[in-house]
Amino acid sequence: NAGVTQTPKFRVLKTGQSMTLLCAQDMNHEYMYWYRQDPGMGLRLIHYSVGEGTTAKGEVPDGYNVSRLKKQNFLLGLESAAPSQTSVYFCASSPYTSGSADTQYFGPGTRLTVL
Amino acid sequence: GNSVTQMEGPVTLSEEAFLTINCTYTATGYPSLFWYVQYPGEGLQLLLKATKADDKGSNKGFEATYRKETTSFHLEKGSVQVSDSAVYFCALSEDNNDMRFGAGTRLTVKP
Repeated sequence: NAGVTQTPKFRVLKTGQSMTLLCAQDMNHEYMYWYRQDPGMGLRLIHYSVGEGTTAKGEVPDGYNVSRLKKQNFLLGLESAAPSQTSVYFCASSPYTSGSADTQYFGPGTRLTVL
Repeated sequence: GNSVTQMEGPVTLSEEAFLTINCTYTATGYPSLFWYVQYPGEGLQLLLKATKADDKGSNKGFEATYRKETTSFHLEKGSVQVSDSAVYFCALSEDNNDMRFGAGTRLTVKP
């Protein structure tokens, strides 16, 4: 049981390049999330998904796209990277709990630098 | 909107000292409250949680009580260890779609 895994762990991009971050979970969770973590700002939600084939915007969605073609995978795409997207990206998942918030389980993170 | 404010760090303590990390929140409804911990180079992991007023969450010697009257969820531990050195995040969520995190408090415990 690997939990939540993220690929890659590190990446350096040049401005304007594109890339995709992959998140996979083996806990059969309905919900999946992408966050970015910046110094002094905690974690901010980029996009999330409430189930296979669904996605929705979070607090800071601009410049990112996501897809959830399979229940266990959640992809985060940067079409044209900018230096402001330099950050640590975390994926998380949680089970469906009616009417309340459940614990989120986090991956180890991807450190992205955009030059 | 919902938000969390936690005490700024960094916090440096000697081993066996008492720890308090303050957390207050603003919410429109009745959120669940969480403390997550992040060890160096790792993702966040749940430390404890409370889902309604007056609930006390506890784990690994850490405790926090959901205080609706003061909108607070302060983290405490009676005797910290070097292995408790990490960044601690307070968070709230009213449903599964909107977890809000505080900025994080870095704790360093010296032997």
